[in-house]
Amino acid sequence: GDSVTQMEGPVTLSEEAFLTINCTYTATGYPSLFWYVQYPGEGLQLLLKATKADDKGSNKGFEATYRKETTSFHLEKGSVQVSDSAVYFCALSRRGRRALTFGSGTRLQVQP
Amino acid sequence: NAGVTQTPKFRVLKTGQSMTLLCAQDMNHEYMYWYRQDPGMGLRLIHYSVGEGTTAKGEVPDGYNVSRLKKQNFLLGLESAAPSQTSVYFCASSATSGGQETQYFGPGTRLLVL
Repeated sequence: GDSVTQMEGPVTLSEEAFLTINCTYTATGYPSLFWYVQYPGEGLQLLLKATKADDKGSNKGFEATYRKETTSFHLEKGSVQVSDSAVYFCALSRRGRRALTFGSGTRLQVQP
Repeated sequence: NAGVTQTPKFRVLKTGQSMTLLCAQDMNHEYMYWYRQDPGMGLRLIHYSVGEGTTAKGEVPDGYNVSRLKKQNFLLGLESAAPSQTSVYFCASSATSGGQETQYFGPGTRLLVL
């Protein structure tokens, strides 16, 4: 079945550091890939998405590229801020399936 | 624009008690979902609905029931709560389905079953 694997957290960085959160997936066909972010006490918000191989999703300085050859969708940001502290979820969706398949989430803590 | 709202925000139940979680969306979305989130795991789908009056089972439906009597509301019921149902419950909605749609999430309901 479908699955998403994320690096375990927490990831602790200093402000302005470079961020990478790894995500790999297993799925048949050609899934769409998503990054959701959950700020403390809030629900999940879509951060970015990519719907086909080699697409790059970007938003708020975050980027992720859909790599079919390595079945990966790693999240990157060049310079993190304290306000980026949150839990980040990688997820996939396939045509014909109603639900998103989520990874376990990675907590990011950014220190001033 | 409220988006997706959930009530209550937090609830404590004793084993065997029942309760209903309410989800409401004001985006006129056809599709609505209930997920649960447990430590160290991603969100898992409990039930979903593809339109008013229709519901279907998701990945972990046992012990839960749902109803979609109005397009904007999706109710999740626990008839006889068990400690294994201690979790954070998220409702979501989407305009379409089929793989590329964005799901919009509510803020969650934290449930503790003693």
